[in-house]
Amino acid sequence: KQEVTQIPAALSVPEGENLVLNCSFTDSAIYNLQWFRQDPGKGLTSLLLIQSSQREQTSGRLNASLDKSSGRSTLYIAASQPGDSATYLCAVKGQNFVFGPGTRLSVLP
Amino acid sequence: EPEVTQTPSHQVTQMGQEVILRCVPISNHLYFYWYRQILGQKVEFLVSFYNNEISEKSEIFDDQFSVERPDGSNFTLKIRSTKLEDSAMYFCASRPWTETDTQYFGPGTRLTVL
Repeated sequence: KQEVTQIPAALSVPEGENLVLNCSFTDSAIYNLQWFRQDPGKGLTSLLLIQSSQREQTSGRLNASLDKSSGRSTLYIAASQPGDSATYLCAVKGQNFVFGPGTRLSVLP
Repeated sequence: EPEVTQTPSHQVTQMGQEVILRCVPISNHLYFYWYRQILGQKVEFLVSFYNNEISEKSEIFDDQFSVERPDGSNFTLKIRSTKLEDSAMYFCASRPWTETDTQYFGPGTRLTVL
């Protein structure tokens, strides 16, 4: 059974810092991995999707990498801003969709 | 920009009652999903739907749950006899026809079972 974990559970950084969020999964037989952000009391917004054959995807200040063999993905956020404050979730698509518990990010002005 | 909508935003019901949660996916999308998130816990996949039938479902999606696309625009989740543990945020999502495309989520319906 696929298990997805995320480290750290929470992170607080000053504005302008670069940061890395980590996602690990136990079963490497996945089709893709997706990163989302979730704002309090709201739905999920898709940030990046990486296919199993890809190594990374970039969108603006965000860069996500995937190492399927080791069961890891990282989300890199450059020059963080207070508006980046949210919970970041990773989800893997294998037999089913499995989400991680999220990393709660606070970017302080 | 097109978006997924869900109604109601909050539903309160008594244990044992039936509830129907409604979603309007993005109009040219072909795959539809329901997820739930119990307060403070992970988002959990419930079911995916394509070509008017269930394509995948999780262990959570038992006989108490059903999904339907009653017309060309709505996608519904029915819980036949609600339990206290069904209290959660329910999210609908949709995506276009290719496996590579991302899912677009609605804002969710908060279901409270008393």
